Amino acid sequence: DQQVKQNSPSLSVQEGRISILNCDYTNSMFDYFLWYKKYPAEGPTFLISISSIKDKNEDGRFTVFLNKSAKHLSLHIVPSQPGDSAVYFCAASDDNFNKFYFGSGTKLNVKP
Amino acid sequence: DAGVIQSPRHEVTEMGQEVTLRCKPISGHNSLFWYRQTMMRGLELLIYFNNNVPIDDSGMPEDRFSAKMPNASFSTLKIQPSEPRDSAVYFCASSLGVASPLHFGNGTRLTVT
Repeated sequence: DQQVKQNSPSLSVQEGRISILNCDYTNSMFDYFLWYKKYPAEGPTFLISISSIKDKNEDGRFTVFLNKSAKHLSLHIVPSQPGDSAVYFCAASDDNFNKFYFGSGTKLNVKP
Repeated sequence: DAGVIQSPRHEVTEMGQEVTLRCKPISGHNSLFWYRQTMMRGLELLIYFNNNVPIDDSGMPEDRFSAKMPNASFSTLKIQPSEPRDSAVYFCASSLGVASPLHFGNGTRLTVT
């Protein structure tokens, strides 16, 4: 029973365009959300986070949007670069000792 | 600034053997997590510790799996006896605590033949 879902296993985008990665969750108690990037043979690397008191958080080319009523978050990458090609995971937790639930990941391919 | 360090990077063993995976968290982090990644189940949480105390081990698949954290700078995940279905990448992660991001090691790829 997955509490965090990434329904798109893959996404292909042209360099310079916007990449939009989506994530849905079912548990209304989740209040802290993260996005991770993962390259092959490496561990996931933290990208950006958002807490439930906000609906948007920006860090350079990366912006995360949170829609609590829809239980949906998205990661926007603008402009996309070939080095952004990786698997992206979203994760969510409630305030209970930092236990995180991960989505199944979306593989992003940015074409030069 | 050393990140989370896991060893070994790769482990190949035969069914029935004992396997021990090791993790050194980031200094100062008080939460430690063991995750397993498979094609079928993605990233699943096995167990996590807070201040060296196991908080939730509900993700540990069965009694063949055990984890310890004898001090703030070291943790082990042991599988005894190992089975082919245990083949996966095992990640260790640490964090500063509640509402802090997890920092992952590079994982141990386990193959049980």
